[in-house]
Amino acid sequence: AQSVAQPEDQVNVAEGNPLTVKCTYSVSGNPYLFWYVQYPNRGLQFLLKYITGDNLVKGSYGFEAEFNKSQTSFHLKKPSALVSDSALYFCAVRDVTNAGKSTFGDGTTLTVKP
Amino acid sequence: DTAVSQTPKYLVTQMGNDKSIKCEQNLGHDTMYWYKQDSKKFLKIMFSYNNKELIINETVPNRFSPKSPDKAHLNLHINSLELGDSAVYFCASRPTGTGTTEAFFGQGTRLTVV
Repeated sequence: AQSVAQPEDQVNVAEGNPLTVKCTYSVSGNPYLFWYVQYPNRGLQFLLKYITGDNLVKGSYGFEAEFNKSQTSFHLKKPSALVSDSALYFCAVRDVTNAGKSTFGDGTTLTVKP
Repeated sequence: DTAVSQTPKYLVTQMGNDKSIKCEQNLGHDTMYWYKQDSKKFLKIMFSYNNKELIINETVPNRFSPKSPDKAHLNLHINSLELGDSAVYFCASRPTGTGTTEAFFGQGTRLTVV
């Protein structure tokens, strides 16, 4: 079975400070990892993904994430947070051997204060 | 142009009623999904279709029946609605490929059962 854990329900940062939203995963095969963002009353939007290759992946809106196989983690980061980054963030894992089924974490609410 | 569109956006109905939610995507994707997001914002997969064929059917009551008339549409019919069915339902799609592709989500349908 595959699973995703987002250990923090909430992350609060000040505008201009770096932010990290944590994600750890468990799969039996090779993981495909994704980050999505959900703004209030909206659907999820894709931010970035790790498939293979360079462990540091860059995505939309200045976000990046680092894949760490030994720690089974895929933390989302941004060097300088904006108030407009405030949203709900979901990490997801897909095990290619599991019919392409994605499992989502429980989400982390990011609040960036001015 | 809306990529994944759901109708209606809001649905308020009484317990025991039968209702449908429609989903259409104009992206040419092969795979479509229904997700349920509960009041705590947890996101759970319900169904997945690939080229009109059901490939994922999570532990969902039989009252929920997806129907895919063609690969661009995936509708969700719910019989005998219960209070616990109140949630936001998201449709999503993606090209099947090798499992490396991200999903595109609709705006969601907020279902309230009273």
